[in-house]
Amino acid sequence: TQLLEQSPQFLSIQEGENLTVYCNSSSVFSSLQWYRQEPGEGPVLLVTVVTGGEVKKLKRLTFQFGDARKDSSLHITAAQPGDTGLYLCAGSSGSARQLTFGSGTQLTVLP
Amino acid sequence: GAGVSQSPSNKVTEKGKDVELRCDPISGHTALYWYRQSLGQGLEFLIYFQGNSAPDKSGLPSDRFSAERTGGSVSTLTIQRTQQEDSAVYLCASSLSFFYGNTIYFGEGSWLTVV
Repeated sequence: TQLLEQSPQFLSIQEGENLTVYCNSSSVFSSLQWYRQEPGEGPVLLVTVVTGGEVKKLKRLTFQFGDARKDSSLHITAAQPGDTGLYLCAGSSGSARQLTFGSGTQLTVLP
Repeated sequence: GAGVSQSPSNKVTEKGKDVELRCDPISGHTALYWYRQSLGQGLEFLIYFQGNSAPDKSGLPSDRFSAERTGGSVSTLTIQRTQQEDSAVYLCASSLSFFYGNTIYFGEGSWLTVV
């Protein structure tokens, strides 16, 4: 069974601060996705990383896939209240049919 | 429709009753997925469909859970003899196909509470 562990589980910071969320596994994934979920809604895909060592940027968000494709990180620069939400990483071992999700990081950005 | 549609959005049921949850995927999407999410937690895979067939039922927690999809579109997740541990948000998602590279779009979920 493939497991993805996310840390921290909860994070509360002030507007303007930087933060990093980690997603770790002992298993190798062919790709890894990051989602953001707001209350009462389904997860929304932010990014997919597929190559070991790959770095992708989405405005103030930077995503990195580990060289061994077992871990990933999400770094947010100058966090804003609109970044508040549950951040989920999800790994795929091939087809898109079944994603293994991490337990999530609940981020709260205070104004 | 424009997005994945799920109904009901909220359901409160008594322990032991059966419930049906419905999912209407994005038009043209052949792959459909069901996930379960406990409060503030990650998602647990339940089942997926490619067309009307469900090649992988390994994620269903028990034989009280079943799902079907007809006409390659709408899917129904049925939970028989509900238990309190079944309380969760049930999320449906769809993608163009189940092959790698196709973005998965989630619905807003059906919040099930078993009392």
